Amino acid sequence: EVQLVESGGNLVQPGGSLRLSCAASGFPLRAYFMTWVRQSPEKGLQWVANINPDGSESYYADSVKGRFTISRDNAKNSLYLEMKSLRAEDTALYYCTRAISSDWWGQGTLVTVSS
Amino acid sequence: DIVMTQSPLSLPVTLGQPASISCRPSQSLVHHDGNTYLIWLHQRPGQSPRRLIYKVSDRDSGVPDRFSGSGSGTHFTLNISRVEAEDAGVYYCMQATHRPLTFGGGTKVEIK
Repeated sequence: EVQLVESGGNLVQPGGSLRLSCAASGFPLRAYFMTWVRQSPEKGLQWVANINPDGSESYYADSVKGRFTISRDNAKNSLYLEMKSLRAEDTALYYCTRAISSDWWGQGTLVTVSS
Repeated sequence: DIVMTQSPLSLPVTLGQPASISCRPSQSLVHHDGNTYLIWLHQRPGQSPRRLIYKVSDRDSGVPDRFSGSGSGTHFTLNISRVEAEDAGVYYCMQATHRPLTFGGGTKVEIK
């Protein structure tokens, strides 16, 4: 069974950093694009970034470009999201999803940016 | 960015009755490869979204056949032939043709 388990969410001050992880199982991670999507009451669902199967290409929403970095370790069946210079508007539940079209979703990890 | 406009915002439905949700993208969703990557998601309260439909009308594994997707160009529709209690929640359309990927604002289906 496909499983995606996010972790790393926390309360962080504006300007701070955080690293999210997503542990994948039940499928060969190396064969799939992977995506981060976030959800907040204010902005709904927002695409954050995705990365190609071998990690050589990544794409970002304008709102996070230059601050967030998506990466992966296929040998460890893991996806990551490095977040820097965090802002209040980055507060959201962050989901790891499989493929560009998000056919499987994790349960999410909560990031709260507040002083 | 492509704006995905959903309607209605809220949809009260009687059990066993049909339901229909509209999604209108601000431009064509036809990809260079000829496919149209229009997706429907369902989110129950307290749960993660679940994909129901991809490429306009293809149902994901395990999705009941009372769910169907249709449309082309800049008008797409999700239909539920006979609503069941488990269908309550919020439905989102999403386009994965163009970056940035974008989502509709959601339609809340409530069982009367």
